[in-house]
Amino acid sequence: AQSVTQLDSQVPVFEEAPVELRCNYSSSVSVYLFWYVQYPNQGLQLLLKYLSGSTLVESINGFEAEFNKSQTSFHLRKPSVHISDTAEYFCAVSVQGAQKLVFGQGTRLTINP
Amino acid sequence: NAGVMQNPRHLVRRRGQEARLRCSPMKGHSHVYWYRQLPEEGLKFMVYLQKENIIDESGMPKERFSAEFPKEGPSILRIQQVVRGDSAAYFCASSQTGGTTEAFFGQGTRLTVV
Repeated sequence: AQSVTQLDSQVPVFEEAPVELRCNYSSSVSVYLFWYVQYPNQGLQLLLKYLSGSTLVESINGFEAEFNKSQTSFHLRKPSVHISDTAEYFCAVSVQGAQKLVFGQGTRLTINP
Repeated sequence: NAGVMQNPRHLVRRRGQEARLRCSPMKGHSHVYWYRQLPEEGLKFMVYLQKENIIDESGMPKERFSAEFPKEGPSILRIQQVVRGDSAAYFCASSQTGGTTEAFFGQGTRLTVV
């Protein structure tokens, strides 16, 4: 069975500072990896995903994540955060061809001015 | 093209009552997934349905919970005789062809059992 660990439940940073949200997964087979964002009182939105190919994937709002197979990680980074990035971020994994996502516990990103 | 629509957004039920949560998938999507988010936790898969069929219900509690996705109309997640532990956010996702790579989530229904 697959599992996802997000090592930090909360990450406070100052505006314009860089941030890294950590995600590690366990799986004995090939997986797809996802980052979802949940803004306050809203549903989940897909931020970015890794399916195959380049291990570095990017979102339209400046986030990027790198798939590291040897370390079984998919950390999310942004070089300079904005107040509007305040949200909860969920890492998720699915086995290729599977029908369900396995989510981590989430990381609450708080941006201080 | 409207997104995945869930209603109600908020639902309050007394212990012992029934809760019905509705999910209308995106137009053209025939695959629906339900997830539950308990307080301070990530989302947990509950059930996967296609039109008129339950494909995978491995995440559904054995009692009081049921789901359907009829030929016409929204998918319904039904919780009978609710208890305080059922308080959670319930999210629905839909996809066109099945699989996780192109699933879109609704805004969720937040169920509070008092």
